[in-house]
Amino acid sequence: AQSVTQLGSHVSVSEGALVLLRCNYSSSVPPYLFWYVQYPNQGLQLLLKYTTGATLVKGINGFEAEFKKSETSFHLTKPSAHMSDAAEYFCAVSPPGNQFYFGTGTSLTVIP
Amino acid sequence: ETGVTQTPRHLVMGMTNKKSLKCEQHLGHNAMYWYKQSAKKPLELMFVYSLEERVENNSVPSRFSPECPNSSHLFLHLHTLQPEDSALYLCASSQDRRTRAEQYFGPGTRLTVT
Repeated sequence: AQSVTQLGSHVSVSEGALVLLRCNYSSSVPPYLFWYVQYPNQGLQLLLKYTTGATLVKGINGFEAEFKKSETSFHLTKPSAHMSDAAEYFCAVSPPGNQFYFGTGTSLTVIP
Repeated sequence: ETGVTQTPRHLVMGMTNKKSLKCEQHLGHNAMYWYKQSAKKPLELMFVYSLEERVENNSVPSRFSPECPNSSHLFLHLHTLQPEDSALYLCASSQDRRTRAEQYFGPGTRLTVT
């Protein structure tokens, strides 16, 4: 069975500090991997995705994520947090087949 | 309009009412999805349509009835709902379900069942 685990349902960082949101997946075959962001009262917006090739993926708003097969992880990072980054972040995986699996989300708070 | 739109954005209905949620995608995609988002729970995939054919129904109660009249429009008809059905209902689309392409989401309809 496929699953996605996001460690930490709530993460707080100071403005200007490093953002690190964790995502681990279970899949017998390397899946496609995605990070989405959801601002209040809005739908999910794609931040970045990994399919094949380079394992460090850059996305919008200065975010990036690195696929580590040996650790089955796809953690999301941003060097310097901005107040506008406060939102809910979802990791998603899509193994071979036709299904998407979403994590339970991590709420990011940025402290001024 | 661009992307994926949903109407209404907010809906309050009684348990005996009948209402419909509408989703429209302006991306030329072939697959459309309904998700339920409840607090503290993972996104729940409800229905999947590919080229207007329902290809997935994840054990959703019959009080939820989807309709996909064409590849751009998706409806969710609601009747005799329960208070636990209160949630954010998200519509999404993707280019082609088989290629694992990313999904694009609408803003959602916040549903409250009283």
